[in-house]
This record gives sequence, C-alpha cells and structure tokens, in this order.
Amino acid sequence: EIVLTQSPGTLSLSPGERATLSCRASQSVSSSYLAWYQQKPGQAPRLLIYGASSRATGIPDRFSGSGSGTDFTLTISRLEPEDFAVYYCQQYGSSPPYSFGQGTKLEIK
Amino acid sequence: EVQLVESGGGLVQPGGSLRLSCAASGFTFSSYWMHWVRQAPGKGLVWVSRINSDGSSTSYADSVKGRFTISRDNAKNTLYLQMNSLRAEDTAVYYCARKGWELQQDYYYYYMDVWGKGTTVTVSS
Repeated sequence: EIVLTQSPGTLSLSPGERATLSCRASQSVSSSYLAWYQQKPGQAPRLLIYGASSRATGIPDRFSGSGSGTDFTLTISRLEPEDFAVYYCQQYGSSPPYSFGQGTKLEIK
Repeated sequence: EVQLVESGGGLVQPGGSLRLSCAASGFTFSSYWMHWVRQAPGKGLVWVSRINSDGSSTSYADSVKGRFTISRDNAKNTLYLQMNSLRAEDTAVYYCARKGWELQQDYYYYYMDVWGKGTTVTVSS
C-alpha cells in the first residue's frame, strides 16, 4: 500500500502570499495518478489538480501542481480569502487502495 | 447538472446494519466506475470501496472487507453501500464519488471528479 505524507500539517499565511504544499509518497507514483483536492468545512472535497499538474475544469490558474516519482507539490501563487481550506493529495493507481494524504490545513495568519 | 446525492445515513448501534444510497443524475451513470470515501469527525479522507461500471468487479479497504458490500443498479442510476457488523470506528461522513478519466498522449489520467455532499453515519449505543 502506498502511503502519502503531506507537509506541513498546518500552514499559516496571509492573503496575497504564496503557498507551497508538499505530498511525499512511500513509493513511486505515476504522475498520471496523482490528484489534489480542496475541502472547506462542511463541504465535499473538490478536485483541483489531476495528473500531478493538470487543472480541473473551472480551477483558477493561481493553482498549479508539479512533481514526479515520490515528491509532489501544490502551489497557490497568490492566496485569495476563499483558498483557506484543507488540501489533500491522492494517488489513484492501477489497483486499490487509492490512498489519500492526511491533509494540510491552510489557515489565515 | 451533474450530481450525486447520498442518503441512508443515521444512528445505529454497534453490530447493526445500514444501507447507504447514492443517486446519480446529469451523466450516463452506467459508464462510470464509482467509489465510496469516508471521513471520520475531524479526520482526513479515507477510501472505502469501488465498483466498476457494470458491477462485475469490486474492491474494498482492509478495514471494511467482509463487512461492507458495494453494489449498483444502473437502471435506477443508484450506487449502494451495505454496511454490516458496524463498529464505532465506522462513524463518519460517507461520500460517493465518480471516477473521472482522461486520455492524453497515450496516458490515462484517473481521479475523482464528482462528489456528493455526504451522509452521516453514527455508530453508538
């Protein structure tokens, strides 16, 4: 089973700043199968990034993803007030389990 | 509008059973693999189970294997999760999600692109 470890656990930043979130896999993950989700309190997760770097439909271009192998990054170039939420990475490999990271909480400083 | 709506959650005693439903609309349900994902209070997302498009293949997380059964009725555009022998640690919001996919330059990309709002299951005496 592939374990995804996200860091930091909590990130405190101000609107307008740049956010960098990390996701590290216990073994190599195909970039095709790495996704990022955003979840706000009381809401369902929303797909942000798939294939490690492709933005989902309707996602602003301030969100970008990068990485390969075991290290992946989600970057938010300039934080907007609505971006403060919890972010999860997920690996969707060829066979289950389709594990999620434990999440990074992005909070307003 | 593409939509998933879960129902069937509630309070159940340890050892009891519950069946969750997920009604799909706005897309060709029978063409998509589907998942159940859960989230315990204050915790992260955990994949539970998946089923292929015609229901002939299923997979489960080890934590629910032998207790939960995923199924679907493509004629009714509905996904199900039968949960038996429930434990306190099964307490969570349960989401259904659609497997999305894309083919780019000979590579397949997989993800969960549509999610329901969730239904809450509480296992307690």
